[in-house]
Amino acid sequence: AQSVTQLDSQVPVFEEAPVELRCNYSSSVSVYLFWYVQYPNQGLQLLLKYLSGSTLVESINGFEAEFNKSQTSFHLRKPSVHISDTAEYFCAARRSDTGRRALTFGSGTRLQVQP
Amino acid sequence: KAGVTQTPRYLIKTRGQQVTLSCSPISGHRSVSWYQQTPGQGLQFLFEYFSETQRNKGNFPGRFSGRQFSNSRSEMNVSTLELGDSALYLCASSLSTGGTGELFFGEGSRLTVL
Repeated sequence: AQSVTQLDSQVPVFEEAPVELRCNYSSSVSVYLFWYVQYPNQGLQLLLKYLSGSTLVESINGFEAEFNKSQTSFHLRKPSVHISDTAEYFCAARRSDTGRRALTFGSGTRLQVQP
Repeated sequence: KAGVTQTPRYLIKTRGQQVTLSCSPISGHRSVSWYQQTPGQGLQFLFEYFSETQRNKGNFPGRFSGRQFSNSRSEMNVSTLELGDSALYLCASSLSTGGTGELFFGEGSRLTVL
């Protein structure tokens, strides 16, 4: 079984400041890793994913995450946040050795961008 | 292309009742998964269906059940509702069970049990 830990439940940050949302995972098998974002009263949207290959993955809206196998981490970063980035962010893992798509989610980090 | 559609969006039930939630996947998607989201337990996997067959099940009591129809639409049912069943129920669809494809989530059905 795998587990995902998001170390911060809330992260307040000022607009245009950099931010890092931390995620660590634990698994006895190889996993795929994901970051999802959830805006109020909405479902989850995939932000980015690590499947294989380059350990640095980027999204179209300026977020990036780096897979670090030795530290079992997949932290999410953005160099300059906007008010519109205010949302809850979930890190998730899925086994890569089966076709089953069950995701194990972290507890979420609420990003609060202040003007 | 329409996204994942969940109905109803909001509903209120009382303890002991049962509820059925519906999910229409993106056209062409054959795999449907369900998740429960609560403030206390976070996001938890309920079950996954593909081609009308349950492929995977999370750690929930037998009161939680689901099914998938030949058109890939899915329903989940919760019987004998308890207060703790109050949650946002999210449905996600994907093209198939294999590979590394993305899960697309609906906006959820928010269930309140009184």
